[in-house]
Amino acid sequence: EVQLVESGGGLVQPGGSLRLSCAASGSPISSYWLIWVRQAPGKGLEWVANIKEDGSERNYMDSVKGRFTISRDNARNSVYLEMNNLRPDDTAMYYCARGRFDAWGQGTLVTVSS
Amino acid sequence: QAVVTQEPSLTVSPGGTVTLTCGSTTGAVTSGHYTYWFQQKPGQTPTALIYNTYNKHSWTPARFSGSLFGDKAALTLSGAQPEDEADYYCLVLYGGAWMFGGGTKLTVL
Repeated sequence: EVQLVESGGGLVQPGGSLRLSCAASGSPISSYWLIWVRQAPGKGLEWVANIKEDGSERNYMDSVKGRFTISRDNARNSVYLEMNNLRPDDTAMYYCARGRFDAWGQGTLVTVSS
Repeated sequence: QAVVTQEPSLTVSPGGTVTLTCGSTTGAVTSGHYTYWFQQKPGQTPTALIYNTYNKHSWTPARFSGSLFGDKAALTLSGAQPEDEADYYCLVLYGGAWMFGGGTKLTVL
């Protein structure tokens, strides 16, 4: 059974950067699309980005295009989300998920505030 | 930009049947949108119930089913249980990118 564990969240000032990581254990992730989803406090779910099994295709929600970059390292069984020029409305719990959303991490909290 | 629409709230009686819908401002939701349905209870991570419009995960209770209903995707709960009270979200594919609906708060009362 795969387990996903996110890390890298924290408090950052507007305009700052963070790099989120999601490490998988128990099963290789190389055969799956990987996804980042976020949820602002008290709000609904937002799909953020995804990346194909071999990294050849990446897709982003409109509001993060040009600021966020999703990447993966199949050898390290990990997926990443590089977030630049962060804004207060990026404040959320960030979750990684696998393939058909059959596995989720517990999330890492990103707070953008001065 | 497309907006995915869901009922903000619905109420169902224990043992009753309710249908949640998922629409799109760009037109009909079809099987080509590969709709997902998720359940989220307070303080928990979401759980995927339905993928590709109709398909259930191994853990999805049999009382949940996915379908197309007119020009929308639908999640039907037949025989509601108290533990089904939760927020429900649909997720729709537009080209390579996905978009969640705003969610439906389902009350079992």
